[in-house]
Amino acid sequence: GAGVSQTPSNKVTEKGKYVELRCDPISGHTALYWYRQSLGQGPEFLIYFQGTGAADDSGLPNDRFFAVRPEGSVSTLKIQRTERGDSAVYLCASSSIPGLTNNEQFFGPGTRLTVL
Amino acid sequence: ELKVEQNPLFLSMQEGKNYTIYCNYSTTSDRLYWYRQDPGKSLESLFVLLSNGAVKQEGRLMASLDTKARLSTLHITAAVHDLSATYFCAGSYSGAGSYQLTFGKGTKLSVIP
Repeated sequence: GAGVSQTPSNKVTEKGKYVELRCDPISGHTALYWYRQSLGQGPEFLIYFQGTGAADDSGLPNDRFFAVRPEGSVSTLKIQRTERGDSAVYLCASSSIPGLTNNEQFFGPGTRLTVL
Repeated sequence: ELKVEQNPLFLSMQEGKNYTIYCNYSTTSDRLYWYRQDPGKSLESLFVLLSNGAVKQEGRLMASLDTKARLSTLHITAAVHDLSATYFCAGSYSGAGSYQLTFGKGTKLSVIP
C-alpha cells in the first residue's frame, strides 16, 4: 500500500515569506507527527495529532509555526515569517493507534525547506 | 525529559568485521526504536524493542534492550557495504499521553571494502 507522502519535496523561499508543507499519512492511521531534522542531527519532535486535534504541540519552536489536520487525515504545517534558521528537512510520520504495543511510526520522504 | 545518546557518532569499519552501536537513554522509555537513514532519504524502521531483555535480529543486524541499564545496542555482524547508512535510536514515553519519539544524534556507519 501507499506510504506516507509529503509535498513539496523541496521548497526554497525567502526570509519573511509564508510556507505550507503537506503530509498525507498512511490510510487509516489516526496518529500523525511532525518532526524537524537539521543537518547532521536526529529528528526533533514538533507536534502530534490524534485524529483532528493537536494532542501535543510542545515541540513547536515558537508561534510562527502552526499545524492543522482538519479532517483527521492530511495535515499541513504552516510557517509564517520564515527565518534562515528554519531551514531543515521537515518529516511527517504516522502510526495506527499509539496505545498499541509498539506504536511503530512510518516516516514520509520529507520536505527540504531552504530559507534564503 | 527523555534524552537519548548514541555512540559512536561516526564508525568506519571494514567489510566482514563486527561492531556494536550503543544507545543510552536518561529516563523511563516505554519503547526503543532503531531506524536507518540513507543519504537524502527518509527513515526506515528496523526494530521496535518493548521489554527488558528483548532481542531482535534481521539479517546482519541484531538489537537488544536492557531497561535496567537504560541501554540498547545494535550489533552488526560481518558488515557489508550495503549497511553503510546513518542509524538512529529513539525512545518514547507514553506517560504524558504523547507518543513522540526522542532521537539520538545518529551513528554514521561507513563500511569499507
